[in-house]
Amino acid sequence: DTAVSQTPKYLVTQMGNDKSIKCEQNLGHDTMYWYKQDSKKFLKIMFSYNNKELIINETVPNRFSPKSPDKAHLNLHINSLELGDSAVYFCASSHGTSGYEQYFGPGTRLTVT
Amino acid sequence: GQQVMQIPQYQHVQEGEDFTTYCNSSTTLSNIQWYKQRPGGHPVFLIQLVKSGEVKKQKRLTFQFGEAKKNSSLHITATQTTDVGTYFCAGLDQGGSEKLVFGKGTKLTVNP
Repeated sequence: DTAVSQTPKYLVTQMGNDKSIKCEQNLGHDTMYWYKQDSKKFLKIMFSYNNKELIINETVPNRFSPKSPDKAHLNLHINSLELGDSAVYFCASSHGTSGYEQYFGPGTRLTVT
Repeated sequence: GQQVMQIPQYQHVQEGEDFTTYCNSSTTLSNIQWYKQRPGGHPVFLIQLVKSGEVKKQKRLTFQFGEAKKNSSLHITATQTTDVGTYFCAGLDQGGSEKLVFGKGTKLTVNP
């Protein structure tokens, strides 16, 4: 059983399009995260939700909008995609809001052409 | 804001050699975590250190947390090809932030 799953695994799209990435965890965790990993492998947090409430909202363009329909799901919608959005996006989850180990999903490789 | 610096950025070793990566935070940490990311994979949690001066071992891996809780290290003894990957430290600021800040990682390659 996959603990943290993401769909799609790969996403190739053109500039200006709108796309969504979905994440689900079956670990019973109450906190979920979105990270962006750029081509230099730098891992940077974007958003975090605890019990469906947004608790971390980093300086991210407002073209990025997270949504958590329930504790087990965290989706990421991106409007008007730009070349610089190309990266691997990782979803993660943890038992609590801070100081807990995080479980990462397999990642979604987004390529904007 | 809090910064976590990690060195070296890259390390290439011969199989059997030792390897160490160092992590330094600009602020005092409440805890530090270490993750490993294999090529093409996702970060996987290795360990968490909480106490000042703490040392933990996992087989050939030794993790240390500095006395001032601002630095940490990961040492691998007698590297194997299975150790290949990028090792990230991630620190949680003692000031109450809920954000885990990742270092830029050390990419380890092992020549068989």
